[in-house]
Amino acid sequence: DQQVKQNSPSLSVQEGRISILNCDYTNSMFDYFLWYKKYPAEGPTFLISISSIKDKNEDGRFTVFLNKSAKHLSLHIVPSQPGDSAVYFCAATLSFAGGTSYGKLTFGQGTILTVHP
Amino acid sequence: EAGVAQSPRYKIIEKRQSVAFWCNPISGHATLYWYQQILGQGPKLLIQFQNNGVVDDSQLPKDRFSAERLKGVDSTLKIQPAKLEDSAVYLCASSPWTGDYGYTFGSGTRLTVV
Repeated sequence: DQQVKQNSPSLSVQEGRISILNCDYTNSMFDYFLWYKKYPAEGPTFLISISSIKDKNEDGRFTVFLNKSAKHLSLHIVPSQPGDSAVYFCAATLSFAGGTSYGKLTFGQGTILTVHP
Repeated sequence: EAGVAQSPRYKIIEKRQSVAFWCNPISGHATLYWYQQILGQGPKLLIQFQNNGVVDDSQLPKDRFSAERLKGVDSTLKIQPAKLEDSAVYLCASSPWTGDYGYTFGSGTRLTVV
């Protein structure tokens, strides 16, 4: 049962343009969402997160949007740079203490982003 | 701040052999996780420790996998006996406390079972 899905295995974008990575989830109990970036031969690195009480969170060139009714989130990178080329994972969790999933992240399959100079 | 250290980086073993992975989390981080990432999939939680106690091991195949976290610091993950489907990257991560989700991952151990 894939509770978090990233349906696009790969995305190719020109430098300077916008990159939009998408993620869907099925568990309506998830209330906290994160994006991680992973370079080859390295572990994932935390990028940005959003709580379900918000619909947008920005950090520099990175913005995450959350549409709870559609159970969909997206990561926008503007402008895209060649150094952004990596695998991007979205992840979701139930953030309340005492829940069985407290501390546990459920990841999507990842999207390979390639930014061309 | 030193990152999460894992060793070895790569390991190739034959099926039915045993293997162990080691993780040293960031100093002071109470929570430690082991994730398994099979090629083409996202990381999947195997086990979560809070200090030296197990919080969640519901996804750990306990007939062949075991893990411990001695004195609430270093951790080892063992597979015995290994199967072909255990080929994956094993990622260790730590966070200051359970509920801090921006946790820090190590570079992982790539296991190939032949």
